Amino acid sequence: NAGVMQNPRHLVRRRGQEARLRCSPMKGHSHVYWYRQLPEEGLKFMVYLQKENIIDESGMPKERFSAEFPKEGPSILRIQQVVRGDSAAYFCASSPIFGGIQETQYFGPGTRLLVL
Amino acid sequence: SQQGEEDPQALSIQEGENATMNCSYKTSINNLQWYRQNSGRGLVHLILIRSNEREKHSGRLRVTLDTSKKSSSLLITASRAADTASYFCATGITQGGSEKLVFGKGMKLTVNP
Repeated sequence: NAGVMQNPRHLVRRRGQEARLRCSPMKGHSHVYWYRQLPEEGLKFMVYLQKENIIDESGMPKERFSAEFPKEGPSILRIQQVVRGDSAAYFCASSPIFGGIQETQYFGPGTRLLVL
Repeated sequence: SQQGEEDPQALSIQEGENATMNCSYKTSINNLQWYRQNSGRGLVHLILIRSNEREKHSGRLRVTLDTSKKSSSLLITASRAADTASYFCATGITQGGSEKLVFGKGMKLTVNP
């Protein structure tokens, strides 16, 4: 059973470009979470999604950031018009069907975004 | 302090010694979880303790939870060089109608061979 997969592992963008980060949850998991980690910091919750639904996006900036988890395919975190402050590691986690934090979240290896 | 704050921020010990890390939090929790992160890698879930539990064991790990003091400790016994990593506590809370994990800043453990 493959773990949570994220790609790309490293992404370099120039200011103003778009960044697309992909996350494939573990098989059988229908809940996906995105977190952002700045250097020397803990993870900050961004958004919680189930298939085709955004459950909680309270941690996501209102502008330039969006997330989706379509019926088919991976979850996508999209950052438009990136700025240097978006440089960070972005982690995706998934949990089983009963979801919520009472279930363990399994983390992917992360995507390290560098904005030049 | 923020929700989920680890103490100390860094710890250096010799192989074979025990390592104790503490976590304090502010609001009521559903559970508390500990994660490990090796440099440049993703997080690995270590152990989850629910709010109605006081102690839990998993291999060389022992976690305690004191909800009256809003604190938890993670004990790693007989440490190994491979235990060198950053350790994070994360509190499972209900906020705004949904459940989420709130992470501390983490603490760096160095186990010297």
